[in-house]
Amino acid sequence: AQKVTQAQTEISVVEKEDVTLDCVYETRDTTYYLFWYKQPPSGELVFLIRRNSFDEQNEISGRYSWNFQKSTSSFNFTITASQVVDSAVYFCASYSGAGSYQLTFGKGTKLSVIP
Amino acid sequence: NAGVTQTPKFQVLKTGQSMTLQCAQDMNHNSMYWYRQDPGMGLRLIYYSASEGTTDKGEVPNGYNVSRLNKREFSLRLESAAPSQTSVYFCASSEFPGWEAFFGQGTRLTVV
Repeated sequence: AQKVTQAQTEISVVEKEDVTLDCVYETRDTTYYLFWYKQPPSGELVFLIRRNSFDEQNEISGRYSWNFQKSTSSFNFTITASQVVDSAVYFCASYSGAGSYQLTFGKGTKLSVIP
Repeated sequence: NAGVTQTPKFQVLKTGQSMTLQCAQDMNHNSMYWYRQDPGMGLRLIYYSASEGTTDKGEVPNGYNVSRLNKREFSLRLESAAPSQTSVYFCASSEFPGWEAFFGQGTRLTVV
């Protein structure tokens, strides 16, 4: 069974600070996929990124970057120069290709960016 | 494009009542999912449909049934609502299992 742990329940930062959201996953499968989703106060879930287990390259998209490290089973998400609009709950999720179609979510990290 | 559309957005039920949550996607996706979100619990999968014509249980299926009506539509039915089913329900779809899922706006259900 897969498991995703987001140890940080809530984080507060002042605008323009950098912030890293941690995600640790557990899986016995060699093929798996990792995701990050954003849930702003309006409630919808917004897809941010998908990585597969064979691609350990870090990803950067504007102020967002992701650090995937198989050695520590981590897929951390960094927001550079945070903005108030980044305030949201962020979910890390994983999916295993081994016959299960279940996307397993962590419990989320609530990020508050203070002006 | 509307993406994933859920109806209704809000609903209050009395214990024992039944209702169906509707979901439709216009992205020609093969796979569809129903999740529930409870405070502090993240999202948990109720049922999914990997492709048209198939449905399977997820992590928390008890008290629910689903129908994959066609490729576009996937409904969730509560036959006899219980207060424990008070939650926010999300429908999602993905092109294939394991690909990025796109979510509807959610249905906030309260069972009293």
